[in-house]
Amino acid sequence: KNQVEQSPQSLIILEGKNCTLQCNYTVSPFSNLRWYKQDTGRGPVSLTIMTFSENTKSNGRYTATLDADTKQSSLHITASQLSDSASYICVVSDRGSTLGRLYFGRGTQLTVWP
Amino acid sequence: EADIYQTPRYLVIGTGKKITLECSQTMGHDKMYWYQQDPGMELHLIHYSYGVNSTEKGDLSSESTVSRIRTEHFPLTLESARPSHTSQYLCASSEGGLAGGLKNIQYFGAGTRLSVL
Repeated sequence: KNQVEQSPQSLIILEGKNCTLQCNYTVSPFSNLRWYKQDTGRGPVSLTIMTFSENTKSNGRYTATLDADTKQSSLHITASQLSDSASYICVVSDRGSTLGRLYFGRGTQLTVWP
Repeated sequence: EADIYQTPRYLVIGTGKKITLECSQTMGHDKMYWYQQDPGMELHLIHYSYGVNSTEKGDLSSESTVSRIRTEHFPLTLESARPSHTSQYLCASSEGGLAGGLKNIQYFGAGTRLSVL
C-alpha cells in the first residue's frame, strides 16, 4: 500500500533555532517528492520538488533532502521565524497513472515561539 | 501566490440545503482537483478533471458532484448537505503533462471551510 508517514506530528521551537522534519514513504513507482507549507486556514503552497536523481533542493531557509534508496526525505528549516509556524506536508507522486497520483502525509505542525 | 480562487471562504448551513462551492483559476491549467481535509488529517482527493467536459471521482467517496464547462471554472455541488459533510474543501489546479511530472505541481486555493449544522 502506498503511504507517506511524517514525523514528528507536532514540534515547538524557539525563534532563531533550526529544525528538521522527516518523511518516509512507500510509494512506488516513485516520480517525485514535494514539500508543501500550509498556513492555518489556507491552501498548501509548494516549497520544493525533487525527482529521483536529486538528493537536495533549497528554497531560501528551507532545504529538502531525498534518499530514494531508503525512501526518506527531510525538510530542514534554518534560523526559524515566527512566520514559519505552519503545517508542513510531504507529498509523493507516482508514475503509475496519467493523472500523476499524489500521496499526502498528514503533516508536521510546527510552532515557532518568540 | 497562485491565481486560484475559492468562494466562499467560510460557510455555515443547515442540514438538507443545496450548496455550491466555487473554484476559479486564471492560469489556463487543464487539470483541476477537489480535495477534502479534516483537521490534522491528510488531504483526500474527491474529484478531478483533465479538461472541459471531463470529470472523474477521486479516491475518497463523496456525495458531491462537479462540473467543468469552462477551463477556468470547477464548481463543487452538494445537493443535500449533512453534518458529515463538515470539512475543509480545497481546490487545486496544475498544467497538463506527464504523470507526476514537474508540470504537475498543484496550486491550491485558500479553501472553503464548510460547517453543516
